[in-house]
Amino acid sequence: AQTVTQSQPEMSVQEAETVTLSCTYDTSESDYYLFWYKQPPSRQMILVIRQEAYKQQNATENRFSVNFQKAAKSFSLKISDSQLGDAAMYFCAYRASGNTGKLIFGQGTTLQVKP
Amino acid sequence: NAGVTQTPKFHILKIGQSMTLQCTQDMNHNYMYWYRQDPGMGLKLIYYSVGAGITDKGEVPNGYNVSRSTTEDFPLRLELAAPSQTSVYFCATDRGGWGADTQYFGPGTRLTVL
Repeated sequence: AQTVTQSQPEMSVQEAETVTLSCTYDTSESDYYLFWYKQPPSRQMILVIRQEAYKQQNATENRFSVNFQKAAKSFSLKISDSQLGDAAMYFCAYRASGNTGKLIFGQGTTLQVKP
Repeated sequence: NAGVTQTPKFHILKIGQSMTLQCTQDMNHNYMYWYRQDPGMGLKLIYYSVGAGITDKGEVPNGYNVSRSTTEDFPLRLELAAPSQTSVYFCATDRGGWGADTQYFGPGTRLTVL
């Protein structure tokens, strides 16, 4: 069975600095997708970034980028120029290719941004 | 275009009572999902549906039931509520369940069982 592990329950970063959140996963599949979701205090789940496993190039969305290491089964999220609005819980998630539909989530990392 | 809506936002239930959490989407998506999020944890899949009339169990289905009579609605039924069902419940949808599809989440229902 696939699993997703986030080993950092809490992280903090100074405003305007850079922070990296870690995620590892376990799967026997070769084709899959990885996601980072943001959950602010409002509880709304917001998709931050997505990575296709067959793509070697790391995904980037504005200040958010990933470091995808397929062989190591590692998928970290880097937030550059951190802003107060980035404070939230961040979830790493895995989804197999094909129409199985199921997202598997990690336990989450709470990010605090200090002014 | 409201996206995914859930009602109620909050609810307190007594042990042994039953209730239905409502989920409605106006995105014309085939796939719908119910997740629960326990405090400080990630989301776990309870049930999902690939279309009207078709549902299947997820990772943690015990104590819940679902039905899908229309594309838009996917209610989650709790029978004989237990304190272990205290959680935040999220409904989500996507177009076709494919890995590349974006799942859209509702705002969640915070349920407390006392």
